[in-house]
Amino acid sequence: DIQMTQSPSSLSASVGDRVTIICRASQGISNSLAWYQQTPGRVPKLLIYAASTLQSGVPSRFSGSGSGTDFTLTISSLQPEDLATYYCQNYHSAPYTFGQGTKLEI
Amino acid sequence: QITLKESGPTLVKPAQTLTLTCTFSGFSLSTNGVGVGWIRQPPGEALEWLALTFWDDDKRHSPSLRSRLTIIKDTSKNQVVLTMTNMDPVDTGTYYCVHRPSFGSYFDYWGQGTLVTVSS
Repeated sequence: DIQMTQSPSSLSASVGDRVTIICRASQGISNSLAWYQQTPGRVPKLLIYAASTLQSGVPSRFSGSGSGTDFTLTISSLQPEDLATYYCQNYHSAPYTFGQGTKLEI
Repeated sequence: QITLKESGPTLVKPAQTLTLTCTFSGFSLSTNGVGVGWIRQPPGEALEWLALTFWDDDKRHSPSLRSRLTIIKDTSKNQVVLTMTNMDPVDTGTYYCVHRPSFGSYFDYWGQGTLVTVSS
């Protein structure tokens, strides 16, 4: 199975900050990487797929990059509504594993 | 507009079998590439992918749970059913039904989730 490891596990930042979350796959997954946002008490929401393609309706302050084993999610200017836990997901091959999550506090 | 909704028991006893139904609309599970899957989340913990059924009836399961899981689609009813045998308190959590688009096994639409508690 491909293991997905996120860092950091939690992060505190201020409004307007640039924030970067890292996701590392235990083996190469090309660009088959998705990012999700889960705000407290809510259903997870797809932010990015194919490592860098923004899902429709997602604000442009979110961006993704990477290929192979190393990926990043960047929020260019943090907003209060970005308080959430962020998950990466491998979809290169089953099992379609998630990272353990990064909790973002503002 | 794609929607998915989970239904099933909120409380099951240890050793019982859980049966959850996902009823969806806005797409067809006979469309090339499309799939419907299940993901769960224990309280306060991370997401865990469970199973996925594809338009062509291919299926994928979490290896750690494979012996306990069955996923079945009923294209005519727009439903996907997940069964999980031998339930344990560690299986307590919110179970989500999700839509897989044609382009890859990521999940662009999610049901509201259903909280299942395993307790005697």
